[in-house]
Parts: sequence; C-alpha cells; structure tokens
Amino acid sequence: NAGVMQNPRHLVRRRGQEARLRCSPMKGHSHVYWYRQLPEEGLKFMVYLQKENIIDESGMPKERFSAEFPKEGPSILRIQQVVRGDSAAYFCASSPAGGEGYTFGSGTRLTVV
Amino acid sequence: AQSVTQPDIHITVSEGASLELRCNYSYGATPYLFWYVQSPGQGLQLLLKYFSGDTLVQGIKGFEAEFKRSQSSFNLRKPSVHWSDAAEYFCAVGASKGYSTLTFGKGTMLLVSP
Repeated sequence: NAGVMQNPRHLVRRRGQEARLRCSPMKGHSHVYWYRQLPEEGLKFMVYLQKENIIDESGMPKERFSAEFPKEGPSILRIQQVVRGDSAAYFCASSPAGGEGYTFGSGTRLTVV
Repeated sequence: AQSVTQPDIHITVSEGASLELRCNYSYGATPYLFWYVQSPGQGLQLLLKYFSGDTLVQGIKGFEAEFKRSQSSFNLRKPSVHWSDAAEYFCAVGASKGYSTLTFGKGTMLLVSP
C-alpha cells in the first residue's frame, strides 16, 4: 500500500510562472490536506478537501492560490504568477473518513527564482 | 484559537543519554495531540498521538509522551537516544481525532553527539 505520493519532489519556477503540485492520497483515503512549511517555521494549514469539495480553505492566500480534488485523479495545488515568497515546502496529507490523524507525503520543494 | 509552543529551537544530546522535548499548547477544549518527526528533505512521520485515556502514550522508535492537562503540556521523551534520532520534531494540536486541521509548533531540531 503506497503512502501519500507527491510530485514533483522539487520544482523550480521563475517569477510570474505557474506552479502545479500534485498529491495522490493513500488508497482508501478520501480527505486531503495541504500544508506549507516556510524556512524555520512549522507547518501552516492551507486547505482541506474531500472529493470534489473544498471543506476548509481558511489558510489559503486570497489570491493566486487554488486547490482541487477531482473525482478522478490527484489533488492539485495551483499557484499562479509565483513570487519569491512562495518558495517553501508544500506537504500534502490524507486520511480516511472517520480516521484518527493523517499521513503526510514527502513534500514538494518549490523554489522561485 | 489554538497554538503550540516548542520553546527549544535546538537541543544537543549525547548518544545514549535521555531526551525530553517540550511542548505547550493552548486550546479551549479537549486537545488532540501529536508528535511528528521530520528527517532532512523528508515528509513528516507520526511518532505518537494522544486522544484520551492513559496520559502516558507510547509511540514508535521507543518514544513516549505524557499529557499533563494542568500544565497544558505534552512533552516527548526517550530514555536512550540513538544517532539516527537526529531530526526535527514537531508537536501539533488538533480539534478532533480525524479530519481537522492541525496547528504545529515551530519545531525542535535534535542533534546527537557521539
């Protein structure tokens, strides 16, 4: 049973480009969470999704960031017109319905140059 | 609003010595508490969790943590540290057992000296 799969592991984008980060939850998990880790900071919650629904996006920046979890396929975190301040590690986690705690992926390290 | 404080940014422990990492939380209701470990360039691995019941919880890799409601603390301990334990450790608090957002502390970097 594969764990939470995130790709790419590393992503380099120039300022103004778009970044698309993918997350495939563990088999049988229907809940996905995205967290961002800035240098020397703990993880900060961004968004919580279930299939085809955004449940809580209170941690998402108001502009340029969006997330989806379609009926088929991975969850996508999309950052438009990236800026240097978006450079961070982005982690996805998944849990089953009614599960206790969740499992993290290995993250995507985004570098904006 | 919930918050987590890990007062020690770095800790150095000799291999074989005991370890205690501190975590204090602020939360108005019954907290659900977690400790995660992150090795460089890796994701977070769950060490242990506390939901209810016995306040001393056992985790993987020989770690344990004790929940003290009166002190709002959930300190992580290990009786004998191994060099492979060098990593960053994060304490987190959640509002429920399952699908809820977690609030993380800023982490404690553990260095193990020979």
